[in-house]
Amino acid sequence: DTAVSQTPKYLVTQMGNDKSIKCEQNLGHDTMYWYKQDSKKFLKIMFSYNNKELIINETVPNRFSPKSPDKAHLNLHINSLELGDSAVYFCASSQVRRIQYFGAGTRLSVL
Amino acid sequence: KQEVTQIPAALSVPEGENLVLNCSFTDSAIYNLQWFRQDPGKGLTSLLLIQSSQREQTSGRLNASLDKSSGRSTLYIAASQPGDSATYLCAVSRSYGGSQGNLIFGKGTKLSVKP
Repeated sequence: DTAVSQTPKYLVTQMGNDKSIKCEQNLGHDTMYWYKQDSKKFLKIMFSYNNKELIINETVPNRFSPKSPDKAHLNLHINSLELGDSAVYFCASSQVRRIQYFGAGTRLSVL
Repeated sequence: KQEVTQIPAALSVPEGENLVLNCSFTDSAIYNLQWFRQDPGKGLTSLLLIQSSQREQTSGRLNASLDKSSGRSTLYIAASQPGDSATYLCAVSRSYGGSQGNLIFGKGTKLSVKP
């Protein structure tokens, strides 16, 4: 059983579209995260969320919004996609401040 | 603002060599430091986590050390194997503020172990 799973693995879309990436964890963790890995392979935190608060990195455009229907899911919604949004997006989960477990990533290509 | 630097950016060694990867961070107020491995086209796999109160952690052929006061960590890999070829990432989490769990990553060291 995959601990942290993301879908889809690949996402190709046109500029201006709205898209979502799903993330689920079956580890019983209380905190989930979204990271962005750019073309230079640099990983940067976008959001962290537990059942108490959402922490947003100040550099993330408000076109990006996380949605958590329950403790095991943190989906990423992106509105009005831009070319610069092309990257690999990773979901992760952990007990707060413990080892983070990462999904396999979603490669987003905006044309 | 916390910045994490990893040196070297790339390293190529023959099989069997012992090697050291370096990580430095600018703000010593960390809660923990983690080393990850990333294989091409894959997600990250956690290798070792060192709490700020610890000096080192070991797992098999891997040993990670932490010197919080000087802002440095090293990852020692003994008797390297071709299967160790991957990008190794160092990340720290803050000890204060509302985003303690968020990791700040270095840019990684790409390791190639030649048979």
